[in-house]
Amino acid sequence: GAGVSQSPSNKVTEKGKDVELRCDPISGHTALYWYRQSLGQGLEFLIYFQGNSAPDKSGLPSDRFSAERTGGSVSTLTIQRTQQEDSAVYLCASSLAGRRETQYFGPGTRLLVL
Amino acid sequence: GIQVEQSPPDLILQEGANSTLRCNFSDSVNNLQWFHQNPWGQLINLFYIPSGTKQNGRLSATTVATERYSLLYISSSQTTDSGVYFCAVEPGGGSYIPTFGRGTSLIVHP
Repeated sequence: GAGVSQSPSNKVTEKGKDVELRCDPISGHTALYWYRQSLGQGLEFLIYFQGNSAPDKSGLPSDRFSAERTGGSVSTLTIQRTQQEDSAVYLCASSLAGRRETQYFGPGTRLLVL
Repeated sequence: GIQVEQSPPDLILQEGANSTLRCNFSDSVNNLQWFHQNPWGQLINLFYIPSGTKQNGRLSATTVATERYSLLYISSSQTTDSGVYFCAVEPGGGSYIPTFGRGTSLIVHP
């Protein structure tokens, strides 16, 4: 079956612009996670959605970052007024149920802010 | 915050060799995960292992929470085991935010 998909695969933007990154989880998976990976900071957790519950936003680095999940499926991560330090690979994962289930990762979106 | 240290940072093996990767953490944790990132960037969640031992094929992991470390064993390594292995810990106190180590980069030569 289809795995986790993310789009775009690559995004180049200018400092100060807004970007939207999309994640399509595996069908039927109720939990969805966003992470980012950069050379300087390594792997970082950003946000976690579980079903219709309020998301756990505790990993978002600033108020320029927001995420939503529509209909319990597709999720978008929005970065407003991008900065050069936002350059990273943004990874999405989904799992069947809660946090203790195996997470399946998408290929990531590579974001470069010039 | 909690500190996570992985060792060794780099490891080079000949195919068929066994290896042990270590993850030390500085405080009590609710959970610990091991991940593998292949050379093309794909991440795979290997184990959730807050304590005890789990095995999956040639891989096994042991966490000794009271001594604040976890070990990942790779037996009879294959070239497809190459990549970076990360551990991530969830601190106690109800916070889910996982903290990742910097990883162990493994190269397995044929």
